[in-house]
Amino acid sequence: EIVLTQSPVTLSLSPGERATLSCRASQSVTSTSLAWYQHKAGQAPRLLIYGASSRATGIPDRFSGSGSGTEFTLTINRLEPEDFAVYYCQQYDRSPPGYTFGQGTKLEIK
Amino acid sequence: QLQLQESGPGLVKPSETLSLTCTVSGGSISSSSYYWGWVRQPPGKGLEWIGNFHYSGSVYYNPSLRSRVTISVDSSKNQFSLRLTSVTAADTAVYYCARPNGLITAPFYFDSWGQGTLVTVSS
Repeated sequence: EIVLTQSPVTLSLSPGERATLSCRASQSVTSTSLAWYQHKAGQAPRLLIYGASSRATGIPDRFSGSGSGTEFTLTINRLEPEDFAVYYCQQYDRSPPGYTFGQGTKLEIK
Repeated sequence: QLQLQESGPGLVKPSETLSLTCTVSGGSISSSSYYWGWVRQPPGKGLEWIGNFHYSGSVYYNPSLRSRVTISVDSSKNQFSLRLTSVTAADTAVYYCARPNGLITAPFYFDSWGQGTLVTVSS
């Protein structure tokens, strides 16, 4: 089973700054199978990025994803107040089929 | 617009069976294009995938839960359900229904989610 490790656990930044979130896989992951989600308390998780770098429908262009192999990054430029939330990376395995999530990075207001 | 809504008891006793239903609107669970699935989040912890199913009958579960999980469908009501047997306090979580998307042979990510429902396992 592939393990995803996210860092940092907590990131404290101010509105207007840039956030860089990391997701490291225990073994190589195909880029097509790597996704990022935003999750706010009491709400449904929201798909931000799929295929490592493609923005989901309606996601602002200040969100971007990059990376390959075992290292992936979610970058949020010009943080808005509504961006403060928990972010998860997720990967899909074809064989056997299944999904694993990282433990999450909490982005909090400094 | 696709919407998913979970429903079911908020409290289940240890050793009993947890049963939840997801009602889908704005789309058909009978569509050959999509899988449907369940994900949960224990309090203070991260997300855990439970299982997916396709209307064709293809179904796969998280190996750690496989012996206790069943996902089924009621196409007449456009609903799908989750059953988790022999629950313990470790099964206390917010349970989400969600739609995996990507390729039908490899639904890489979840693009639509329900709001989630908290299920507490306690006597």
